[in-house]
Amino acid sequence: AQTVTQSQPEMSVQEAETVTLSCTYDTSESDYYLFWYKQPPSRQMILVIRQEAYKQQNATENRFSVNFQKAAKSFSLKISDSQLGDAAMYFCAYRSASYWDDKIIFGKGTRLHILP
Amino acid sequence: DSGVTQTPKHLITATGQRVTLRCSPRSGDLSVYWYQQSLDQGLQFLIQYYNGEERAKGNILERFSAQQFPDLHSELNLSSLELGDSALYFCASSRSGSNQPQHFGDGTRLSIL
Repeated sequence: AQTVTQSQPEMSVQEAETVTLSCTYDTSESDYYLFWYKQPPSRQMILVIRQEAYKQQNATENRFSVNFQKAAKSFSLKISDSQLGDAAMYFCAYRSASYWDDKIIFGKGTRLHILP
Repeated sequence: DSGVTQTPKHLITATGQRVTLRCSPRSGDLSVYWYQQSLDQGLQFLIQYYNGEERAKGNILERFSAQQFPDLHSELNLSSLELGDSALYFCASSRSGSNQPQHFGDGTRLSIL
């Protein structure tokens, strides 16, 4: 079974600084997708960024980028120029590419605080 | 706005009761997924339906059941409720294919007194 581990329950960063959230996963599959979701106090689940395992290039979405290391099964999220609105719970997630098993497996989350 | 609608937003009930949570997927999405978010267990997959048929089952209790109707909306039924069932229940939907992203509703907050 696949697992997702986020080893940092909480992190803090100064506004305008850069922060990296860590995530490791375990799977025997070769084809899958990885995601970072953001959950602000409103409790909505917002997709931040997505990475296909078959792509070597790291995904980037504006101030958000990932460092995907497939061999190490590592998938970290870097947030540049942190803003107050980035304060939220961040979940790393795994999804199989299997047609019959495409549920999402979430890590426990990292709560990110932005210090003004 | 994700396009996924969940009702009600909040539900307060007592132990032993039965409730039904409703989810309307985005237009065109055939797959519906249910997740439970509790403080001690985090976000866990419960069950998936695809075009009316159950496709995958996760850590769903026998007291819980779900179905997807011909109009593709889905309902999650929770019975014999216990204090530990208090959680945020999310519905997500996606188009066919695992490369399609899942879009989450705003969730239903269930509180058991």
